[in-house]
Amino acid sequence: EIVLTQSPGTLSLSPGERATLSCRASQSVNSNYFAWYQQTPGQAPRLLIYGISARATGIPDRFSGSGSGTDFTLTISRLEPEDFAIYYCQQYGSTPRTFGQGTKVEMK
Amino acid sequence: QVQLQESGPGLVKPSETLSLTCTVSGGSISIYYWHWLRQPPGKGLEWIGYINYSGYTSYNPSLESRVTISVDTSKNQFSLKVNSVTAADTAVYYCVREYSASDFWGQGTTVTVSS
Repeated sequence: EIVLTQSPGTLSLSPGERATLSCRASQSVNSNYFAWYQQTPGQAPRLLIYGISARATGIPDRFSGSGSGTDFTLTISRLEPEDFAIYYCQQYGSTPRTFGQGTKVEMK
Repeated sequence: QVQLQESGPGLVKPSETLSLTCTVSGGSISIYYWHWLRQPPGKGLEWIGYINYSGYTSYNPSLESRVTISVDTSKNQFSLKVNSVTAADTAVYYCVREYSASDFWGQGTTVTVSS
């Protein structure tokens, strides 16, 4: 099983600031099958990024993904009020599918 | 636009079987991979398992002995059964399509295990 570890646990930032979220895998992720999701309270998660760096349909370009192998990053270039949420990373290249524990981006 | 909708009892007694159905609209269930995930209150996401277009299933080893996922292509539905539930199975359960990662999600349904 691939264990995903996200850091930091909480990120306290102001609107307009840049957010950098990290996810480290315990072993290399198959075929770049790596994704990021956003979850706001009471809602289902929403796919942001798949294939490490491809934005899902309708996702604004302030969201970007990067990385390879075992180290991955989600960057939000300028935080908007609606971006304060919990973010999860996921690998979908092998079973069991696994998620990180989440990073909460909160308003400072 | 693909839409997924979970349905099933919101309350299940300990030791009984949790049964949920996901109805898919706007697309065929005969392609792609179809997953169940869950999220206990205040916690992160846990993958339960999937069924694919050919009926192949894969389950989380931590749940495999208690879980069955099946598909009914005639109704465009897939289902989840979890046997011998305990309070630890209390969660929001999501059905999900996987194509470009988990790209379409149901709204989630809350299942509480309690007597």
